This record gives sequence, C-alpha cells and structure tokens, in this order.
Amino acid sequence: EIVLTQSPGTLSLSPGERATLSCRASQSVSNSYLAWYQQSPGRAPRLLMFGASTRATGIPDRFSGSGSGTDFTLTISRLEPEDFAVYYCQQYGSSPATFGQGTKVEIK
Amino acid sequence: QVQLQESGPGLVKPSETLSLTCSVSGGPVSSSGHYWGWIRQPPGKGLEWIGSIYYSGNTYSTPSLKSRVTISADTSNNQFSLHLNSVTAADTAVYYCASHQWELDAFDIWGQGTMVTVSS
Repeated sequence: EIVLTQSPGTLSLSPGERATLSCRASQSVSNSYLAWYQQSPGRAPRLLMFGASTRATGIPDRFSGSGSGTDFTLTISRLEPEDFAVYYCQQYGSSPATFGQGTKVEIK
Repeated sequence: QVQLQESGPGLVKPSETLSLTCSVSGGPVSSSGHYWGWIRQPPGKGLEWIGSIYYSGNTYSTPSLKSRVTISADTSNNQFSLHLNSVTAADTAVYYCASHQWELDAFDIWGQGTMVTVSS
C-alpha cells in the first residue's frame, strides 16, 4: 500500500499568513488521485481538493493544490480564523486508499 | 443533497462484533452514482479506510481488516452497515460513514461520526 507522509506535523502561523502543507507518497500516485481534507475539532473531515488541484464544491479559492507523482502541496493563501484545523491528504489511485498522518495548522 | 448518519452501540466488549448502520437521506443507497464506505479514526490519530460497498453488492476492504469486516446494504431501509468481528481495544475509534462516486475516489460526503469504545 502507498504510505503518505505529511510535513510539517504542526504549522504555527498568524491569520492572514500563507500556509504551505506537504504530502509525499512512498510511490507514484496514479493519475494524481490525491485529495485533501480539513478536520476541525470534534467534526468530520471535509473534502477540500481532489485530483490534486480541483477544489470541491463550495471551497474558497484561497485553497489551492498542486503536485504530481509523489509530491503534493496544499496552499492556503491567506489564513482565515476558520482555517486553523488539521489537514489530511489521501491517495485513491490504488487500493487500499490511504491517508497521511495529518498536519495541524495552529494559531501562532 | 445526500446526507449520512451513523448509529450503533457506543460500547462493545472485546472479542465481540461491532455493528454500525449508516442511514442515507436525499438519495437511494441503490444509486449507481455512489459507493458507500466506512472510515475510522482512533482517538488522537489519523484516518483509516475500512471498506466500501457498491449498489451491485460488490464490496472492497483494506487488507489489514478484510478477514474481520462485512459491509452490506439494505435498500428497503436505505442504509448500509458495517460489521467488524473479534474486536480488541485497538478497534476503539470514531467510525464515519462516507460516500464516493467511483471505486477509487475521494470521499465527498461524510456522516458526523460515532464513537465506539471496545472495553469489558
């Protein structure tokens, strides 16, 4: 199975700053079938991006995704208060689908 | 818009079977446009896909749990279920049901999750 490693584990930033989150796969992700989720405390994950760079319905354009092969990035251009949460990447290019261990974006 | 809601016991004894149901509203579980899946999250940890079912009855599960997992659909009640047998404390987690549109796909709709504790 494909192992996803996210970095950093924690990102301490202020509102208005730019956040860059990394997801690295142990082998190439087919067709860039890579998704990103946001999870706030006590809530279910919410789909942000799929296909590495396509925003899900209703996701604001301050969120962007990029990458291919084994290296993927989620960028939040200007952090809003509601963006402080844990972010997970997931590959669905091969079975079993797997998730990264998460990156926590916390208020500095 | 499809909505999902998990239900089931919050406490299961070791070696017994964990059984959860996901009720689907806003669309039929028999829809060819959806796969229905289960994902879990141990306290303070990350997410793990357990398995999924298609309206045809085809099921898929992660290899590490495959021998203990059964996923089924009840079209008359518009719900699908997870059964995980021989549970241990390591199966303690929040269990989410979720939907995806293709066999290999992102999970676009999630239930709110239900906490299941395995303890005697």
